[in-house]
Amino acid sequence: GESVGLHLPTLSVQEGDNSIINCAYSNSASDYFIWYKQESGKGPQFIIDIRSNMDKRQGQRVTVLLNKTVKHLSLQIAATQPGDSAVYFCAEWTDSSYKLIFGSGTRLLVRP
Amino acid sequence: ETGVTQSPTHLIKTRGQQVTLRCSSQSGHNTVSWYQQALGQGPQFIFQYYREEENGRGNFPPRFSGLQFPNYSSELNVNALELDDSALYLCASSLVWRDVSTDTQYFGPGTRLTVL
Repeated sequence: GESVGLHLPTLSVQEGDNSIINCAYSNSASDYFIWYKQESGKGPQFIIDIRSNMDKRQGQRVTVLLNKTVKHLSLQIAATQPGDSAVYFCAEWTDSSYKLIFGSGTRLLVRP
Repeated sequence: ETGVTQSPTHLIKTRGQQVTLRCSSQSGHNTVSWYQQALGQGPQFIFQYYREEENGRGNFPPRFSGLQFPNYSSELNVNALELDDSALYLCASSLVWRDVSTDTQYFGPGTRLTVL
């Protein structure tokens, strides 16, 4: 079956360091991958996305890398700030589908 | 903020009752998807509404039903509530053009439902 999962349930980093959150997926037919950030008591907030025909995409302080060979997705956050503390979800999508499939999430804790 | 709004923010019900949750989509979006998020887990897809019809459904029983209105807003109805229905219910809006999604899904803040 298809699944999207995460390697590390909790990641603790020092403020100012770079963070890397990883995600594995099993559906090689997925067309589109998205990272969401969810703060306590709020809905998931879109961070960055990447289509399956790309291997890297950069945003403001964030970079998503896609390795289709090993079915691996990562989110890199540069110069991590206290406001980055949240749960991060990767999600996958196929163009023929209508639903996002979410992983279980990684909690990012930023130490001052 | 995404522009997706949900009401109410919190709700407490007892087993066997019925509940209606509401969602207004982001301006320019014509599709609403509903997700259930249990504590400590990722959101699970319930169903999607497009052109006022259900456009796909996850592994949820028929007592979970929905509606979409001409202004693209949507309702999620849950009958015969069970304790396990306690969760955060999220709606997400997106744009579908010629039956193809053209944008990602943007989420509202959610409704926290507690079933006692």
